[in-house]
Amino acid sequence: DAKTTQPTSMDCAEGRAANLPCNHSTISGNEYVYWYRQIHSQGPQYIIHGLKNNETNEMASLIITEDRKSSTLILPHATLRDTAVYYCIVNNAGNMLTFGGGTRLMVKP
Amino acid sequence: NAGVTQTPKFRVLKTGQSMTLLCAQDMNHEYMYWYRQDPGMGLRLIHYSVGEGTTAKGEVPDGYNVSRLKKQNFLLGLESAAPSQTSVYFCASSYPKASYNEQFFGPGTRLTVL
Repeated sequence: DAKTTQPTSMDCAEGRAANLPCNHSTISGNEYVYWYRQIHSQGPQYIIHGLKNNETNEMASLIITEDRKSSTLILPHATLRDTAVYYCIVNNAGNMLTFGGGTRLMVKP
Repeated sequence: NAGVTQTPKFRVLKTGQSMTLLCAQDMNHEYMYWYRQDPGMGLRLIHYSVGEGTTAKGEVPDGYNVSRLKKQNFLLGLESAAPSQTSVYFCASSYPKASYNEQFFGPGTRLTVL
């Protein structure tokens, strides 16, 4: 599976959009981009995934560049409860998800 | 519908003791996983199972054994605990579809080995 690179930490003001970048320049054609988050001490939670097209669900939007070498997770109106570690994972729908260090997002009032 | 549950929530062991962590899911998922998470780190896969009666090694399997005798349960065993196994253990399950593999995680078990 391709490796990903994410900033270690980010801050966002409450009510503003949080844009979390992820670089996956070695992604192959059949690999999906997944985003999970882990709120303090809890188990990770699935957010969204995509292959080529941009995706949106009730939690977030995922923007994947045309060359698929990077993506951005967008939380449109961040709340304090969105403070968490966000993991970007590239996987070919196989069994193993490889969690890197993730981005620690701090939403501030 | 409880999702994924883990037993116990907390445990303290002495070096050399053994224990079993239980994971249960009520979503009829085929795949189940055991991860460990050390402080400040991401999760690392220990073992996983793609169905009842099957198990496979993950990234960090040494010192652990697993069993999947029933579809809904996945057991993680430590035969002789070591301080290096102090960690938070997460279980997950999934029903992989053709296009993606969404995993559902339990609340975790905090294990301290003295």
